[in-house]
Amino acid sequence: QKEVEQDPGPLSVPEGAIVSLNCTYSNSAFQYFMWYRQYSRKGPELLMYTYSSGNKEDGRFTAQVDKSSKYISLFIRDSQPSDSATYLCAMRTSNTGNQFYFGTGTSLTVIP
Amino acid sequence: GAVVSQHPSRVICKSGTSVKIECRSLDFQATTMFWYRQFPKQSLMLMATSNEGSKATYEQGVEKDKFLINHASLTLSTLTVTSAHPEDSSFYICSARPTGYTEAFFGQGTRLTVV
Repeated sequence: QKEVEQDPGPLSVPEGAIVSLNCTYSNSAFQYFMWYRQYSRKGPELLMYTYSSGNKEDGRFTAQVDKSSKYISLFIRDSQPSDSATYLCAMRTSNTGNQFYFGTGTSLTVIP
Repeated sequence: GAVVSQHPSRVICKSGTSVKIECRSLDFQATTMFWYRQFPKQSLMLMATSNEGSKATYEQGVEKDKFLINHASLTLSTLTVTSAHPEDSSFYICSARPTGYTEAFFGQGTRLTVV
């Protein structure tokens, strides 16, 4: 079993829709959770990070962590064509130094 | 956020030659940098962890002699693909985590094509 599972998609939605992207994980020691956006042929860019359980909102993006279910989500409101990209979740524990664990990424297309 | 710069963004080389990719932390010092490889529509595969002033730590299955990593300063790590072959063609990405930050920051990536 992989440490982090993420549905690769592809996911296609109309402009303005609410998008839900999810990852599950198996290691209960994970405490730091990140979402990255990667455009084609570019390096990943950090969107949001959260610590432990709870919600965090930044503009149209909301990151949610449910540690009891080992489940994290990224919601995108009022999706735009410019949101079309691959979204990667990543996580780490507090004791593994620099080791990051990545999901496989979900490919999202927002149709105008 | 912190800035990681990677150069070149794309390179084409002949089979058998070597290619060097640079990764720089522009506004912070990075004692540790990471090198990833990414195949089309796949996630990041960690190749090695680069440690300033010491040898890199390679992941299982990654050839140390083929992928040479040098981390000679706190702001620069290099990955040299030696005797490149077409199967080495891929997207290579570096990242670093500044001290005090939880998250890592990525370079722009380098698309290597070996012909």
